[in-house]
Amino acid sequence: EVQLVESGGGLVKPGGSLRVSCVASGFTFSNAWMSWVRQAPGKGLEWVGHIKSETEGGTSHLAPPVKGRFTISRDDSKNTLYLEMNSLKTEDTGIYYCTTDPLLEDWGQGTLVTVSS
Amino acid sequence: QSVLTQPPSVSAAPGQKVTISCSGSSSNIGNNYVSWYQQVPGTAPKLLIYDNNKRPSGTPDRFSGSKSGTSATLGITGLQTGDEADYYCGTWDSSLSAYVFGTGTEVTVL
Repeated sequence: EVQLVESGGGLVKPGGSLRVSCVASGFTFSNAWMSWVRQAPGKGLEWVGHIKSETEGGTSHLAPPVKGRFTISRDDSKNTLYLEMNSLKTEDTGIYYCTTDPLLEDWGQGTLVTVSS
Repeated sequence: QSVLTQPPSVSAAPGQKVTISCSGSSSNIGNNYVSWYQQVPGTAPKLLIYDNNKRPSGTPDRFSGSKSGTSATLGITGLQTGDEADYYCGTWDSSLSAYVFGTGTEVTVL
């Protein structure tokens, strides 16, 4: 059974930084492309970005609203996906989900990031 | 602001049918596969339909998907109270180089 467990969310001030993690199990993580999707309170889904498997280059691609501020990385030895968030803005507040690419088939329960002074 | 447009809400009585439209453009729906996701409030989204009309194991055949040109449609027949949720379409947008979601549709069973 595929399991994705996010952690690391919390309250951070505007301009601050935060790293959230996603531990995967139940599938061969090293072969998988992975995505981050977020959802602001009471709003719809927004794709944040994804990262390829290491065998396919391990490169990441981020959506325009977060490009230059967020970084996606992975540690296949720990079956863990990361989202490093810098220069956070109030509009980055929301639940952050990790999910399997490209179909976004399996989802974690999400971790809440609140950007507020 | 989403590039895929869905109606904000649809409703019908139990046992009836509803359809949800998803309107896009040639840079997204017109040239890429469409997926549909179901999200019960307070829970994570769930993949319902992929590649326009394929159902993952676990998706009842009451749910169907179709695509024509730059629009896609999700159909739900034999509506049940458990189908009350928000539904989102999604696809890759080649111009934005990003995965895009629809604005979301709330389904209410009367």
